[in-house]
Amino acid sequence: NAGVTQTPKFQVLKTGQSMTLQCAQDMNHNSMYWYRQDPGMGLRLIYYSASEGTTDKGEVPNGYNVSRLNKREFSLRLESAAPSQTSVYFCASSEEISGNTIYFGEGSWLTVV
Amino acid sequence: SQQGEEDPQALSIQEGENATMNCSYKTSINNLQWYRQNSGRGLVHLILIRSNEREKHSGRLRVTLDTSKKSSSLLITASRAADTASYFCATVSIQGAQKLVFGQGTRLTINP
Repeated sequence: NAGVTQTPKFQVLKTGQSMTLQCAQDMNHNSMYWYRQDPGMGLRLIYYSASEGTTDKGEVPNGYNVSRLNKREFSLRLESAAPSQTSVYFCASSEEISGNTIYFGEGSWLTVV
Repeated sequence: SQQGEEDPQALSIQEGENATMNCSYKTSINNLQWYRQNSGRGLVHLILIRSNEREKHSGRLRVTLDTSKKSSSLLITASRAADTASYFCATVSIQGAQKLVFGQGTRLTINP
């Protein structure tokens, strides 16, 4: 039981490049999330998927797209990376959207130069 | 803006002392949760307290919730060097999509 697994762990991108962060959970959770964490800003929700087949914007969705590929997988795509997207990205999941405990992955460190 | 705001932003104490962190929030909540993050790692859930609860314990952790003041506190008793981490409160509003909203965290350092 690996919990929430996200890849890659580290990535350096040039401005304008695109990339996809992959996330998978093996806990049969319905809801999945992508957060970004910046110094002094705490965690901010980018997008979430309350259940398979649905996705919704969070607090800071601009510049990102997501895909809930199936119940297990939720990917985050940067179409044209910008230096402002340099951050640590966390994928997470929970049984349901309604305030359950959230389980986090180990994070992906992204640098855009 | 963030729903939860932790206070203090940083706390440094000696091993064996108690550590208290506070969280204030703005809107009515369904529940409030505390998470811990070790440096370079993901967040780990510590404890959840529902809006109709006033106090909850888990090992050396004690959480209180005062809905009239819209605040919560996390107490770690008999602190250990391994408790060094950042601690975040997260709230679930009773209105709108019930997503967790995190505060900025308290950086706790336990000095041996």
